[in-house]
Amino acid sequence: DTAVSQTPKYLVTQMGNDKSIKCEQNLGHDTMYWYKQDSKKFLKIMFSYNNKELIINETVPNRFSPKSPDKAHLNLHINSLELGDSAVYFCASSQVLASGETYNEQFFGPGTRLTVL
Amino acid sequence: QKEVEQDPGPLSVPEGAIVSLNCTYSNSAFQYFMWYRQYSRKGPELLMYTYSSGNKEDGRFTAQVDKSSKYISLFIRDSQPSDSATYLCALIISNFGNEKLTFGTGTRLTIIP
Repeated sequence: DTAVSQTPKYLVTQMGNDKSIKCEQNLGHDTMYWYKQDSKKFLKIMFSYNNKELIINETVPNRFSPKSPDKAHLNLHINSLELGDSAVYFCASSQVLASGETYNEQFFGPGTRLTVL
Repeated sequence: QKEVEQDPGPLSVPEGAIVSLNCTYSNSAFQYFMWYRQYSRKGPELLMYTYSSGNKEDGRFTAQVDKSSKYISLFIRDSQPSDSATYLCALIISNFGNEKLTFGTGTRLTIIP
């Protein structure tokens, strides 16, 4: 009954490699996000997709490419991994309400801890 | 200067104490103010949100917003060891369909039994 799931939970890889992180939500939400949390716990948005369409791209290097095959999935592919990419990556989802008057809670996944050696 | 400033702590208090966690922000366009709780090795979970100046209470938790001072607080009464976590304030401007959460750095809280 997991709401937002991510795989893998841990990822250890060498500099220069290419890796992917997968995210799936079973909440029926139409918007999904990727956040990066650094070693100091600072959480910063990277991307958001609404109905498979890119809405937010926060000046993330081109090496990061999100892909949304459908509303329930938002994957993150990272090329040429660098030491500074080591962080915990969180996927989140929310449902935009028609009224726009109420905050639409974002539900976070458990995170993927990426370590680049 | 970051858009949202939060004292990273760590903060340790004895069980039963009142805890006060605070954030300041610089952008007056922020409309919604949230507090997320993050346990170790877990994703953040929403604790409370509010969109107006004043207080909002939920059990032992009270969220306070002062838009004129650009200052938000979270108070925890009768703190319990299970409250030990990192608390993140998060603010949003709330464009329809484009909701970018801007987080504070988080305050790590430990409640000592």
